[in-house]
Amino acid sequence: EIVLTQSPAALSLSPGDRATLSCRASQRVSSYLAWYQHKPGQAPRLLIYDASNRATGIPARFSGSGSGTDFTLTISSLEPEDFAVYYCQQRSNWPRTFGQGTKVEIK
Amino acid sequence: EVQLLESGGGLVQPGGSLRIPCAASGFSFSSSAMSWVRQAPGKGLEWVSTSSGSGGRTYYADSVKGRFTISRDNSNSNLYLQMNSLRAEDTAIYYCAKGGENSYFNLWGRGTLVTVSS
Repeated sequence: EIVLTQSPAALSLSPGDRATLSCRASQRVSSYLAWYQHKPGQAPRLLIYDASNRATGIPARFSGSGSGTDFTLTISSLEPEDFAVYYCQQRSNWPRTFGQGTKVEIK
Repeated sequence: EVQLLESGGGLVQPGGSLRIPCAASGFSFSSSAMSWVRQAPGKGLEWVSTSSGSGGRTYYADSVKGRFTISRDNSNSNLYLQMNSLRAEDTAIYYCAKGGENSYFNLWGRGTLVTVSS
């Protein structure tokens, strides 16, 4: 099983700040990595697929990078609606696995 | 409207069974792989199971293999998860999601809560 380790566990930032979230895989996943946003009581939302491609309707302030084992999600300037939990997920191997999440909270 | 709507959650005793449906609309259900993902209280997301579009290929997490069965009815665009021999650790919000076989989870429902407790 591929283990995804996200860091940090939580980020305390202000609107307008830049957020940088990390996801490290226990083995190479090529570029088969996605990022999701999840707010309490809502459906999770796909943000980034194949490491660096924005999903339909996702604002340009969200960007992804990386390949192999190290990946980054960057939010260039936080909007109030961006405070949420973010998960990475790999589809390189079965079982599909998620990271444990990074909570982006308002400072 | 493109959406997924789960239902059927509730309180079940340990060792009991429950089947939860997910109604899909607004996209070609029969050509879409579909999945179940869960979130235990205070925990992160955990993939549970995936079905190919035809239902001919299914995949399960080790934690549910042999106890849970994913199925689908393409004639009415419904996905199901049959859960048997339920344990306390199966308590979670269960999300239906589009994709998971050769794609990511690109559409999600809002989930249904399953509580396993005596």
